[in-house]
Amino acid sequence: DIQMTQSPSSLSASVGDRVIITCRASQSISSYLNWYQEKSGKAPKLLIYTASSLQSGVPSRFSGSGSGTDFTLTISSLQPEDFATYYCQQSYSIPITFGQGTRLEIK
Amino acid sequence: QVQLQESGPGLVKPSETLSLTCTVSGYSISTGYYWGWIRQPPGKGLEWIGSIFHRGSTYYNPSLKSRVTISVDTSKNQLSLKLSSVTAADTAVYYCARDQGVTTFEGFDSWGQGTMVTVSS
Repeated sequence: DIQMTQSPSSLSASVGDRVIITCRASQSISSYLNWYQEKSGKAPKLLIYTASSLQSGVPSRFSGSGSGTDFTLTISSLQPEDFATYYCQQSYSIPITFGQGTRLEIK
Repeated sequence: QVQLQESGPGLVKPSETLSLTCTVSGYSISTGYYWGWIRQPPGKGLEWIGSIFHRGSTYYNPSLKSRVTISVDTSKNQLSLKLSSVTAADTAVYYCARDQGVTTFEGFDSWGQGTMVTVSS
């Protein structure tokens, strides 16, 4: 199985801050890396697919980059609605696996 | 716009079989895409259970493969999940979702609201 490791596990930030979350795969996954946002009690929402493609309807302050084993999710200017938990997911090989999550909290 | 809705018992006894149905509206399953099940134990992260291609090919998480069956009923536009010999470790919110990839997996773009299943006697 491909292990996905996110860092940090939790993060405190303020509205307007630039935030970067990283995700590392245990082996190369090319660009088959997706990012999700999860808010309490709600289903995850796809933000970024294939490492850097912005899902339709997602604000442009979200961006993704990387390939191979190292990836980042950047939020350019945090908004109040962005405080949530973020997950990376590899879809390169079976089993599909998720990172453990990064909880983004208000400072 | 595609919508997914999970349904099934909220309480299952240990050693029994968990059975869930996902009803899809706004899109015909038989047309395309991969359709999957994902679960999330209370307070924990996401675990992929398995996916099925619209033509019937199935892909399972090896950690659950011996206990899982995913199928589609195109006449009802539904997919189903069966998980046998459940234990307390199978207590989780279960989601059905559509993967937006046409020939490869490219992210789950549509999700049901999730259904909580508790395994307890």
